[in-house]
Amino acid sequence: GQQLNQSPQSMFIQEGEDVSMNCTSSSIFNTWLWYKQDPGEGPVLLIALYKAGELTSNGRLTAQFGITRKDSFLNISASIPSDVGIYFCAGQWDGQNFVFGPGTRLSVLP
Amino acid sequence: GAVVSQHPSRVICKSGTSVKIECRSLDFQATTMFWYRQFPKKSLMLMATSNEGSKATYEQGVEKDKFLINHASLTLSTLTVTSAHPEDSSFYICSARERSVREQFFGPGTRLTVL
Repeated sequence: GQQLNQSPQSMFIQEGEDVSMNCTSSSIFNTWLWYKQDPGEGPVLLIALYKAGELTSNGRLTAQFGITRKDSFLNISASIPSDVGIYFCAGQWDGQNFVFGPGTRLSVLP
Repeated sequence: GAVVSQHPSRVICKSGTSVKIECRSLDFQATTMFWYRQFPKKSLMLMATSNEGSKATYEQGVEKDKFLINHASLTLSTLTVTSAHPEDSSFYICSARERSVREQFFGPGTRLTVL
């Protein structure tokens, strides 16, 4: 079945640094979603991508739908302490079902 | 918009009892709802998908008699953990999707602890 890989698994960065993470698969997807989960909370939708090559921003966050439709990237610029959390990508292939990646755990050092 | 609530947020119960968790879409009609389970520091594990008015579709390895799902209306789905045991302790999260909308929105989760 469809599987997603996320890298890096975890990262420690200094406040103010930019962050890049990606989500890859051997399968093709037609929608990519990026979520952030704080401890003890449900994931919150950050960005949704609907077509290959699409680049979308939400404040300091920018995400891209890879042109091969097998990957997606999320960048966070000028990180702040509240960016700490787990970032999940999710891919949809059939208009109904999503598969989630294992997550990238982000820690921001002051 | 697209707010999903869950109740309760935390529940502690004795082994052998049943626990019901509610998931509500507050400002949209959720034609499809999903139930996930999450272990500490792990990703989301899909348990089942339910469409309003239909029986839930369970993922492989999830016992349908153990985890009863009801999606009786366009705004409410319930997950009942029957005869709960300590190994059922986990973080349960629902999400909901509106017809013709690709995104799904998550509830805040329910922490279940079975003693």
